[in-house]
Amino acid sequence: DTGVSQNPRHKITKRGQNVTFRCDPISEHNRLYWYRQTLGQGPEFLTYFQNEAQLEKSRLLSDRFSAERPKGSFSTLEIQRTEQGDSAMYLCASSLIGGSNENEQFFGPGTRLTVL
Amino acid sequence: AQSVSQHNHHVILSEAASLELGCNYSYGGTVNLFWYVQYPGQHLQLLLKYFSGDPLVKGIKGFEAEFIKSKFSFNLRKPSVQWSDTAEYFCAVGEAAGNKLTFGGGTRVLVKP
Repeated sequence: DTGVSQNPRHKITKRGQNVTFRCDPISEHNRLYWYRQTLGQGPEFLTYFQNEAQLEKSRLLSDRFSAERPKGSFSTLEIQRTEQGDSAMYLCASSLIGGSNENEQFFGPGTRLTVL
Repeated sequence: AQSVSQHNHHVILSEAASLELGCNYSYGGTVNLFWYVQYPGQHLQLLLKYFSGDPLVKGIKGFEAEFIKSKFSFNLRKPSVQWSDTAEYFCAVGEAAGNKLTFGGGTRVLVKP
């Protein structure tokens, strides 16, 4: 396992459509995070999981957003009824709690979403 | 709520110049501090981190950062930059072990050969 992977890398959709992104963390990592990054800004936290439990959600995560991590491995982030303001890079990160680098989050390449 | 501010949005330097990027955060409790770097076309990757102990932290590629608790600052330094240091640099703060990170807005650094 060489790192966090995300699919797709790019997604172009029309306003009002639903989209789903996938994140595969580093295999032994028990925490998984989603962030959103818009142009010229730093990443903003959306939500995170420890194993399959979703422990925290940001106020940025409106009811159109839902994230799952059903078996404590990969995670999906779904956006329903997309809006142009959802256009951003969606980043996934993972970390291992209890390991020697437990506070280090490893980031994936991101999924760039463009809503037309 | 935490916030992180990075003082410079863009920095342009020549090779061999020294680099210092400012980072200040607002949070009254114990924090973990990070600098991440994003090279063109690549993922965010960790440069260095501070959890406790010696406030002067050394990271990869000759970077170091100093935690000054009284100033709520965690500035990044490199004595002599190279063209390959051209990248965007992000300061980040975490409240506790393995918690979410709050990022600054980033500083784009361009090193001219």
